[in-house]
Amino acid sequence: DIQMTQSPSSVSASVGDRVTITCRASQGIYSWLAWYQQKPGKAPKLLISSASSLQSGVPSRFSGSGSETDFTLTISSLQPEDFATYYCQQANSFPWTFGQGTKVEIK
Amino acid sequence: EVQLVESGGGLVQPGGSLRLSCAASGFTVSNNYMSWVRQAPGKGLEWVSVIYSGGSAYYADSVKGRLTISRDNSKNTLYLQMNSLRPEDTAVYYCARNLYGDYGMDVWGQGTTVTVSS
Repeated sequence: DIQMTQSPSSVSASVGDRVTITCRASQGIYSWLAWYQQKPGKAPKLLISSASSLQSGVPSRFSGSGSETDFTLTISSLQPEDFATYYCQQANSFPWTFGQGTKVEIK
Repeated sequence: EVQLVESGGGLVQPGGSLRLSCAASGFTVSNNYMSWVRQAPGKGLEWVSVIYSGGSAYYADSVKGRLTISRDNSKNTLYLQMNSLRPEDTAVYYCARNLYGDYGMDVWGQGTTVTVSS
């Protein structure tokens, strides 16, 4: 199975900060990577697919990059509504796997 | 409006069975790849299963042989038949639509809670 490792596990940041979350795959996954945002008690929301394709309606302050084993989700200027947990997920091979999550908290 | 609504969760004893349903509106289930994802209390997301538009299905190792994904095209509904349930299957179960050719999950249901306990 492909292991997805996110770092950091949590980050404290202030409104307006630039936040970067990293996701590393245990083997190459081309660009078969998605990023999700989840708020407490809610279903996840797809932010980015194919490593860098921003979903319709997602603010442009979110961006994704990377390929093969190393990927990054960047929030260019953190907004109050961005405090949440973020997950990466690979769809290169079965079983599809998620990272353990990164919680973005208010500083 | 594109929407998924899950139902069928509840309390079940270890070894028991349950069938989850996911009713879709605004799009056709059979034309899409559809997934189930679960989240144990206080834990992260775990992919469970996917069914392709052609009917092929794939499973996480932890559920293989016990959980079965299926769909009813006439009802535009996705199902997850859960047999031989274990306490570690306790979770909120979400159904989701996969983007074609990309596999990201772009539409999610609200989730249904399954508790396996005696």
